Amino acid sequence: QVQLQESGPGLVKPSGTLSLTCAVSGASIINDRWWGTWVRQPPGKGLEWIGEIHHSGVTNYNPSLKSRVTISVDNSNNQFSLSLTSVTAADTAVYFCASTSTPYCPSTTWGQGALVTVYS
Amino acid sequence: QSALTQPASVSGSPGQSIAISCIGTSSDIGAYDYVSWYQQRPHKAPKLMIYDVNSRPSGVSNRFSGSKSGNTASLTISGLQADDEADYYCTSYTSSSTYVFGTGTKVTVL
Repeated sequence: QVQLQESGPGLVKPSGTLSLTCAVSGASIINDRWWGTWVRQPPGKGLEWIGEIHHSGVTNYNPSLKSRVTISVDNSNNQFSLSLTSVTAADTAVYFCASTSTPYCPSTTWGQGALVTVYS
Repeated sequence: QSALTQPASVSGSPGQSIAISCIGTSSDIGAYDYVSWYQQRPHKAPKLMIYDVNSRPSGVSNRFSGSKSGNTASLTISGLQADDEADYYCTSYTSSSTYVFGTGTKVTVL
């Protein structure tokens, strides 16, 4: 079955850039119905949709984060990535990658999540 | 985009039925039949329970059902079990081609 695994630094300095990669195994992302998604969850709080990407490179972003977010895809390595610039303590969260092949269902399969802490 | 509104907590006794509401707007829930529901246990990734308002993925118990009326969606859990104790989140596709999550509901089995 499809499995996802996040990787990247767990600590980022304020004003720096948060970068995470999601490796997908068990299925090729080169599928017209496939979308990769990033979701975050601050400690003790709810889920926030960050954005999504299609293997073709088409992206959609949360308007509140759009100016700071870039999601990219690497089809040759079956993975996709998140970049969030100008981070502050408010960006401290568990970051989940997820994927779906179900139209208009944002996430059917999830990674385990990666805690990223913005510290000074 | 503003988060969809859910009650902070809902509780019920084993065997009872409970319903969790999810209130949106005419730009999200009211515009599309693309509401999904997720169950999240502590320190775990969310699990998809319902998609397209009332469809269940393979392996999800038929005790979980979804519905929608106007700008409000609902998740009903029938025959409540101790194992159903978790946080539940709704999400909807929006007219901006994005998704928005609900505020989350903690379900407690008394």
